[in-house]
Amino acid sequence: DTGVSQNPRHKITKRGQNVTFRCDPISEHNRLYWYRQTLGQGPEFLTYFQNEAQLEKSRLLSDRFSAERPKGSFSTLEIQRTEQGDSAMYLCASSLAGDTEAFFGQGTRLTVV
Amino acid sequence: GENVEQHPSTLSVQEGDSAVIKCTYSDSASNYFPWYKQELGKGPQLIIDIRSNVGEKKDQRIAVTLNKTAKHFSLHITETQPEDSAVYFCASGDTGFQKLVFGTGTRLLVSP
Repeated sequence: DTGVSQNPRHKITKRGQNVTFRCDPISEHNRLYWYRQTLGQGPEFLTYFQNEAQLEKSRLLSDRFSAERPKGSFSTLEIQRTEQGDSAMYLCASSLAGDTEAFFGQGTRLTVV
Repeated sequence: GENVEQHPSTLSVQEGDSAVIKCTYSDSASNYFPWYKQELGKGPQLIIDIRSNVGEKKDQRIAVTLNKTAKHFSLHITETQPEDSAVYFCASGDTGFQKLVFGTGTRLLVSP
């Protein structure tokens, strides 16, 4: 078990382009979470999945953001028509259902130029 | 919605001193309070957590206290070491962990 894995680690994109990030949770974990962290701030909740079902979405998750977890294993987060305000660290975490401890990945740092 | 305030934003101590970081939450329904350590370029790492049915929890040099009435919880690090230098975040949530609300972080610097 190598922990939560996120790819890519860094992404630089031009404004208006689409980007997709991937998260591979710890293998037996049913729950998967996406957070966004801007410089000097704590992580902010975006959305979470239990198995393949997306159970909650923050109002921070605009229509340009979509997350999927098609087989209840890895997840993708797509941002369409990126804006400079989307520049942030995108963090993924996973946990066992019914267990509170969440393990975070290293994050994907997005820079929109 | 839930709001978590964290103080101080920066804390500098000498090696061997104690460090205390304090947080206040607003949602009385919150019952789970983890603390995370984040080093540069890495994701947050859970260092200790406490649930609302417990007032204090210790793990070696780290302890957390919770005052439900005042909606305060604190992280105490004793005998600090240079490798404790990092950004520390408090958070609040529920034991179902549907989502966590994080504080704004405390940058701890431990000087040798």
